[in-house]
Amino acid sequence: DIQMTQSPSSLSASVGGRVIITCRASQGISNYLAWYQQKPGKVPKLLIYAASTLQSGVPSRFSGSGSGTDFTLTISSLQPEDVATYFCQKYNSAPITFGQGTRLEI
Amino acid sequence: EVQLVQSGAEVKKPGESLKISCKGSGYSFSTYWIGWVRQMPGKGLEWMGIIYPGDSDTRYSPSFQGQVTISADKSINTAYLQWSSLKASDTAMYYCVRHAIMGATGSYFDYWGQGTLVTVSS
Repeated sequence: DIQMTQSPSSLSASVGGRVIITCRASQGISNYLAWYQQKPGKVPKLLIYAASTLQSGVPSRFSGSGSGTDFTLTISSLQPEDVATYFCQKYNSAPITFGQGTRLEI
Repeated sequence: EVQLVQSGAEVKKPGESLKISCKGSGYSFSTYWIGWVRQMPGKGLEWMGIIYPGDSDTRYSPSFQGQVTISADKSINTAYLQWSSLKASDTAMYYCVRHAIMGATGSYFDYWGQGTLVTVSS
C-alpha cells in the first residue's frame, strides 16, 4: 500500500506569515491528492483536491501544488482561524490513505 | 443541500455488538460511494472501507477487513457500519463520507457526516 508522510508533524507560525506543509507519497500518485483541515473538535473539511484545485468557498490564501510523489499545502497569510490539523490524502485507488497530520498553531 | 446525518453516540461493553448509521439526503444516494473513516482519540484519520449503495459492492481497508461490516439500504438512503464483538480499542469517532467523484472507488470526500462517537468500556 502507498504510504503518505507529512512534515512537519507540528508547527507554530505568526499571524500574517506564510506556512508550508509537505506531503510525500511512497509511490507516484499523479495528482490524486487532497488536503483537509480539521479544527479542534470539528469535522474535517475539504480544502483542496486534484493537488491544486481549491474547493468552493475555501479562502484563496490556501493553495496546493505538486504531482507524482511530492506535494505542498501553502497558507499565504496565516489567520487565527487557521489553527487546525491538516491532513493530506491520496485517492488514486483503494486503499485510500491519509498522512498522519500536521498540527498548526499560532 | 447534500447532508449525511449519522446516528448518535454509543456507549457499549466489550463483546457487545453495534450498528451505526449514516443517512444521506439531497442527492442520488445510490450513485455515490459512501465511506467510513475512523479517528481514535487524539489521532489521525483512517479509511475503513466503502460501499456503493446502488449494488452494495463493498471494499475494505486491509486493516479493517474482517473486523467490521459495511452495508447499505438504498431504499432508505442509509449506510451502516457494524461490529459483532466490540473491543476497547474500537473506541473512536466514526465519520461517514461521500465520494465526490460519482461512481469512483478512488475519490476525495466532499461531504462528511457529523461523526458518531463510540465508547467501549467495561
